[in-house]
Amino acid sequence: GAGVSQSPSNKVTEKGKDVELRCDPISGHTALYWYRQSLGQGLEFLIYFQGNSAPDKSGLPSDRFSAERTGGSVSTLTIQRTQQEDSAVYLCASSLVFGRAWGANVLTFGAGSRLTVL
Amino acid sequence: GQQVMQIPQYQHVQEGEDFTTYCNSSTTLSNIQWYKQRPGGHPVFLIQLVKSGEVKKQKRLTFQFGEAKKNSSLHITATQTTDVGTYFCAGRGSNYQLIWGAGTKLIIKP
Repeated sequence: GAGVSQSPSNKVTEKGKDVELRCDPISGHTALYWYRQSLGQGLEFLIYFQGNSAPDKSGLPSDRFSAERTGGSVSTLTIQRTQQEDSAVYLCASSLVFGRAWGANVLTFGAGSRLTVL
Repeated sequence: GQQVMQIPQYQHVQEGEDFTTYCNSSTTLSNIQWYKQRPGGHPVFLIQLVKSGEVKKQKRLTFQFGEAKKNSSLHITATQTTDVGTYFCAGRGSNYQLIWGAGTKLIIKP
């Protein structure tokens, strides 16, 4: 697509429920990133994919968080047994490639999925 | 681990005054990117600096990358209301991961 598309844009859930957040990157972008941004805070790196593989999962806050990417395109971030501290905006970004190639590693962000856990 | 410190956290200016934000890395960066996030929006790429001592301008915005490739700055001349938002630097470290600064929020005084 023309931009990075994320859904849902807003999600309100009850504590203990599972949620799935979806990201559809720019067509042809091989690298995909998930970040979390709490209100008024900076960007917290969660995970990135190069193709379908995730070389770096170090940012996932706990084992309740998982992500997958299939077909080198759409990615899903799943949060199991949500907690109130999971409330944040989850931002997805994509880039042409991962690495230091000039211009190819510029991130394009989606509008985010705002998660509220009651 | 590698860190990028960004200061100040907030800067309040009168419209027409200048604004500057600074980023300092604990290690040498291969390049540094700058992004702007408008209130309620998502980060949008502004520019990438690659060379030691590089200076780039975009209208009223001036970006610098230090000689040692460990620091960078963004300077806005004569701020306008459209400049309001949070400015993030993101340095590319040795493992090609982006290391994000905490952001500087530009606030225009009423």
